Amino acid sequence: EDKVVQSPLSLVVHEGDTVTLNCSYEVTNFRSLLWYKQEKKAPTFLFMLTSSGIEKKSGRLSSILDKKELFSILNITATQTGDSAVYLCAGGSYNTDKLIFGTGTRLQVFP
Amino acid sequence: GAGVSQSPRYKVTKRGQDVALRCDPISGHVSLYWYRQALGQGPEFLTYFNYEAQQDKSGLPNDRFSAERPEGSISTLTIQRTEQRDSAMYRCASSLGRGPTNSPLHFGNGTRLTVT
Repeated sequence: EDKVVQSPLSLVVHEGDTVTLNCSYEVTNFRSLLWYKQEKKAPTFLFMLTSSGIEKKSGRLSSILDKKELFSILNITATQTGDSAVYLCAGGSYNTDKLIFGTGTRLQVFP
Repeated sequence: GAGVSQSPRYKVTKRGQDVALRCDPISGHVSLYWYRQALGQGPEFLTYFNYEAQQDKSGLPNDRFSAERPEGSISTLTIQRTEQRDSAMYRCASSLGRGPTNSPLHFGNGTRLTVT
C-alpha cells in the first residue's frame, strides 16, 4: 500500500532558527512529490518536485528530492512567526490521479 | 472566482440525515477533487473529476457517498444516511490541468461536517 511518512510530527523553534522537515514515500510508479503549507484554512501549494537532486527555492524555503532513497526535505531558513503552520507532503504517481498525503509536521515558531 | 469556494462552511446534522456539500472551483480549472481530512491527519482522497466525467471514485468509503459535476464546473458531494464516523473536514480542490502531478491542486477552505 502506498504511503507517505513525515517527521518530525511536531517542531518548536525560535525566530531565526533553521528547520528541516522530512518526508519519505513509498508510491507505486512515483511521479512527483509535493509540499503544501496549511495554516488555519486551506493547504496552499509550495513546491512540486519531479527530478532528483534539483533544489527548488522560494525565498527562505527550499526543497529537494532524492528518488534513490525515496525522500524529500523542506528547509526553512531564518524562520519567522508567520512560518508557523502544518507542512504537508504528498506523493503522486503515473497510475492514478490522487495524491497520498502524510500526516504533516506541525511547526511552531516563537518570537 | 478568486479561489475554490465551498459551502456551507459548517454543517451540523443528525445521524441518518442526508447532506449535500457544494464546491465551486476556480474558473477554467478542468480537474476537481474531493478530499476528507480528519483532525491531525493529512487529506485523504475521495474522488476526482475531469470536466464532468468522474474518473476515479476509489476513495469513496461506501455507497452512501456520491459526487457529481454535471456541467463540468460546480460539484456536489452527497452523503446519505449520515453516521457519526462521517464527521470530518471535507475539502474540494481544483487544478488547471489533468492530474495533481501535472498542475498543483488549489484547495478550498472546506466544509466542517459534524454528525450528532
